[in-house]
Amino acid sequence: AQKVTQAQTEISVVEKEDVTLDCVYETRDTTYYLFWYKQPPSGELVFLIRRNSFDEQNEISGRYSWNFQKSTSSFNFTITASQVVDSAVYFCALSEGGQNFVFGPGTRLSVLP
Amino acid sequence: SQTIHQWPATLVQPVGSPLSLECTVEGTSNPNLYWYRQAAGRGLQLLFYSVGIGQISSEVPQNLSASRPQDRQFILSSKKLLLSDSGFYLCAWTWGDSELGYTFGSGTRLTVV
Repeated sequence: AQKVTQAQTEISVVEKEDVTLDCVYETRDTTYYLFWYKQPPSGELVFLIRRNSFDEQNEISGRYSWNFQKSTSSFNFTITASQVVDSAVYFCALSEGGQNFVFGPGTRLSVLP
Repeated sequence: SQTIHQWPATLVQPVGSPLSLECTVEGTSNPNLYWYRQAAGRGLQLLFYSVGIGQISSEVPQNLSASRPQDRQFILSSKKLLLSDSGFYLCAWTWGDSELGYTFGSGTRLTVV
């Protein structure tokens, strides 16, 4: 069965620091999809990125970047020059298709001014 | 474009009272619909999902039920609330399989007193 681990329960950084959120997944499928969602204090889950298992290219979107490494089954998320507005709970998730979709436990990021 | 609406935003209900949370999706047809619950400080738990009108799959045995009376309407209900039903309830939708990821509603914060 698929599984997603986010070992960091809570992280605190000072504004402008870089921070990396770790995500390690387990799956037996060769085709799968990985996601990151952001949950700000308002509660709504906001989609950040989707990556399929055949695309290992790293992606950068503004201050956000993602490092996908199949060799280590990891899909890590880095925020560069963090801002207070980045404070949220971040969830990594894995889909094997069908209704097989699982979230990690989440990492609470606090960015202090 | 597609939008998902969820209401009410907050709800305080006494133990033993009934519950009805509603979720509707606009701008698409035949979506897959989901109800998630998030207890305070915890991760996301899938409660129900539906792939069509009248089709409900339950993931967790509990005193909650779900119904899908129309294609784009998903309702979460309870006949008698328990204290343990308190939490943040999120509705989500996707097209087809979970590999596309989910789009979430803004959530309902339920407090059972």
